[in-house]
Amino acid sequence: ILNVEQSPQSLHVQEGDSTNFTCSFPSSNFYALHWYRWETAKSPEALFVMTLNGDEKKKGRISATLNTKEGYSYLYIKGSQPEDSATYLCAYDQTGANNLFFGTGTRLTVIP
Amino acid sequence: EAGVTQSPTHLIKTRGQQATLRCSPISGHTSVYWYQQALGLGLQFLLWYDEGEERNRGNFPPRFSGRQFPNYSSELNVNALELEDSALYLCASSFDGALGDTQYFGPGTRLTVL
Repeated sequence: ILNVEQSPQSLHVQEGDSTNFTCSFPSSNFYALHWYRWETAKSPEALFVMTLNGDEKKKGRISATLNTKEGYSYLYIKGSQPEDSATYLCAYDQTGANNLFFGTGTRLTVIP
Repeated sequence: EAGVTQSPTHLIKTRGQQATLRCSPISGHTSVYWYQQALGLGLQFLLWYDEGEERNRGNFPPRFSGRQFPNYSSELNVNALELEDSALYLCASSFDGALGDTQYFGPGTRLTVL
């Protein structure tokens, strides 16, 4: 079982604040890193898939970076809104065989 | 465009019974994945099907099995249910299973084993 760690486990921020979370994964045999947003009672929503060291992806106010050599990815949210409240999951593909290893997530609560 | 659908939403079984969970992928997707989220744990990969074949399997016992039909929908079967099989089972689909293919998730089936 691979060790995919996410920090912090939970986070409360005020509306309008910017925030970021970390996903750490083994730096050997990297194939892809996925980010998801999972709101309560909904399906996990795909945010980004990153495959190359140094990749940066952006979707609206959310962006992500990837460092495969040191084994981490950052997810940034600029100007947090209450609708950003969700659990953010990262998932690591070490084999290229699509069996994603998920972290336990960072639970974000944005306070209006 | 319809997303990934799963049925039933909830399923209650007793120990030793069999459970069958169903998944319909996004139209045009050939790959289907199954994941388990047991209480307090992260999502764990169960199975990957593509073009009707099992392509990869996670670290689960053989009583977890499944299949993919010609229309790319999929079933997950869990035999000889145990209490620890109680979990949320998520299905995902992707276009063709290529490296870095985005997996789109359904809403899940919550299985309770009494």
